[in-house]
Amino acid sequence: EVQLLESGGGLVQPGGSLRLSCAASGFTFTNYAMSWVRQAPGKGLEWVSNVSGSGGSTFYAASVKGRFTISRDNSKNTLSLQLNSLRAEDTALYFCAKKADLSDAFDIWGQGTMVIVSS
Amino acid sequence: SYVLTQPPSVSVAPGQTARITCGGDNFGSNSVHWYQQKPGQAPVLVVFDDSDRAAGIPERFSGSNSGNTATLTISRVDAGDEADYYCQVWDVFGTGTRVTVL
Repeated sequence: EVQLLESGGGLVQPGGSLRLSCAASGFTFTNYAMSWVRQAPGKGLEWVSNVSGSGGSTFYAASVKGRFTISRDNSKNTLSLQLNSLRAEDTALYFCAKKADLSDAFDIWGQGTMVIVSS
Repeated sequence: SYVLTQPPSVSVAPGQTARITCGGDNFGSNSVHWYQQKPGQAPVLVVFDDSDRAAGIPERFSGSNSGNTATLTISRVDAGDEADYYCQVWDVFGTGTRVTVL
């Protein structure tokens, strides 16, 4: 079964840091680009970041560029997102998502991990 | 920045057809994808590349793209279709539409 399982969310003070992880299973991880998408409470979906299958190419939304870093460990089938200089507006449910084959759609999503930035 | 505009809500009676639009400045060669999200759950891919149904999605769900407006059509709506629906082009998501079954 194809599965994505996020972890690492929690409560952090403004200016703080957090590292999110996503464990992938059921597919050849290295063959697919992966992404993080977030959803603030009661709001819509917002793309955050992409990483290519090899990990060599990364892309970020303007709202997080310079503060967040996406990475992957293909030997461990794990996707990560390092969140630094966190702001209240970063409070959201963070989803890990798999890019579909030959498409930029997200065909598999995890259940999400919640990040709350508050003093 | 690129904006994809959806109606905030669509209401439809059971058995009828729901149409959800997604408007943007000339999608061009980019494909439109659609997701269904029920309360407390992760999004689920419904239609990708304008009109292809994702695995396990009923034939009642269909998509089209005219260039500036994409449409997700849900035929013979039932209570289980009540959810938020989002379009996506490249790495931009639409504003979302809540479908209510009357």
